[in-house]
Amino acid sequence: GQNIDQPTEMTATEGAIVQINCTYQTSGFNGLFWYQQHAGEAPTFLSYNVLDGLEEKGRFSSFLSRSKGYSYLLLKELQMKDSASYLCAVLDSNYQLIWGAGTKLIIKP
Amino acid sequence: IAGITQAPTSQILAAGRRMTLRCTQDMRHNAMYWYRQDLGLGLRLIHYSNTAGTTGKGEVPDGYSVSRANTDDFPLTLASAVPSQTSVYFCASSDSLAGSTDTQYFGPGTRLTVL
Repeated sequence: GQNIDQPTEMTATEGAIVQINCTYQTSGFNGLFWYQQHAGEAPTFLSYNVLDGLEEKGRFSSFLSRSKGYSYLLLKELQMKDSASYLCAVLDSNYQLIWGAGTKLIIKP
Repeated sequence: IAGITQAPTSQILAAGRRMTLRCTQDMRHNAMYWYRQDLGLGLRLIHYSNTAGTTGKGEVPDGYSVSRANTDDFPLTLASAVPSQTSVYFCASSDSLAGSTDTQYFGPGTRLTVL
């Protein structure tokens, strides 16, 4: 079966750095997405990786290793507004998006 | 409008009633999707449409139907609602043509309670 694993919840301090991991086992791979979802709101697109390596976008970076079935989202200089759930999703060989259950990130002052 | 709109924002429905959730996008995306999101389970695909006139079943299609008469609209119908269909429903769209990244963009969601 297809599976995406990410931690259920993480806690970090304002101003610090946090890394959210995602491992996947899917039938084929056509890209990996990270979305941010604030409580009571819709998911919003953060990043897309299809090749190995690091993609940097401001305070957020996303890394992919296809051989290891592994990705992480790195958030720097954490702000209170970064408190949200972060969803990892993989586009499989049929171009269906397989979603992880999400990681709830709690930022403390 | 810009992006995706959904209606209603929220609804309380008696079991056994019929309900249609509306979704409209103005981005001319060819693909559209309906998801439900339940606590601890993440997003689960109900139905999708790769282009106007075609639809397909997702992971949890039972009890739901969709239609795609044109590019912009993708309504989701619950023929006879049951309490297990209490959830938050998200509509999404993507440009899934060759050369695109298939990034999905989401509507604001409909919170449905079936009593």
